[in-house]
Amino acid sequence: QKEVEQDPGPLSVPEGAIVSLNCTYSNSAFQYFMWYRQYSRKGPELLMYTYSSGNKEDGRFTAQVDKSSKYISLFIRDSQPSDSATYLCAMYGGTSYGKLTFGQGTILTVHP
Amino acid sequence: NAGVMQNPRHLVRRRGQEARLRCSPMKGHSHVYWYRQLPEEGLKFMVYLQKENIIDESGMPKERFSAEFPKEGPSILRIQQVVRGDSAAYFCASSLAGGAYEQYFGPGTRLTVT
Repeated sequence: QKEVEQDPGPLSVPEGAIVSLNCTYSNSAFQYFMWYRQYSRKGPELLMYTYSSGNKEDGRFTAQVDKSSKYISLFIRDSQPSDSATYLCAMYGGTSYGKLTFGQGTILTVHP
Repeated sequence: NAGVMQNPRHLVRRRGQEARLRCSPMKGHSHVYWYRQLPEEGLKFMVYLQKENIIDESGMPKERFSAEFPKEGPSILRIQQVVRGDSAAYFCASSLAGGAYEQYFGPGTRLTVT
């Protein structure tokens, strides 16, 4: 079983829709939870990170962490075609020193 | 641009040759991380370095791969005697000291072994 599970999709939504992206994990030592956006043939871009459980909002993006369920989510409001990318969840904590553990990534397409 | 820089962006090597990938961290960052992304797979951690020190190399293949981050100059990931299975995108990330949860990635080096 992978430490971090993420549905690869692909996910296709119309412009303006609310997008929900999710990851589950098995390692209870994870304390920091990140979301990255990766455009085709580019490097991952850090969108936001959350420490422990709770919500965090940044513009159209909201991250949620539920440590009791080992479940994290990223919501994108008023989605735009420019949001079309692969979204990667990543986790950090425990004895992993500098290692981020990534999900496989979800491919999102927002069509006009 | 004070972001993470990687070069070359594309590298083609024949089987058996050596590949050297370079990474300059973001300004002010002293910690460097290397990841590999294989087709259809997620990013996999390889190694974590500070200046002149390897902190964690648990993700590095046991043979042919090495990494360094000298006192002066960029971090280097070296792959000796490359094989076709080494073809992948290699990403470098950097962070502030104590901020490993906030890693910023470079554009990557795409290695193709022919």
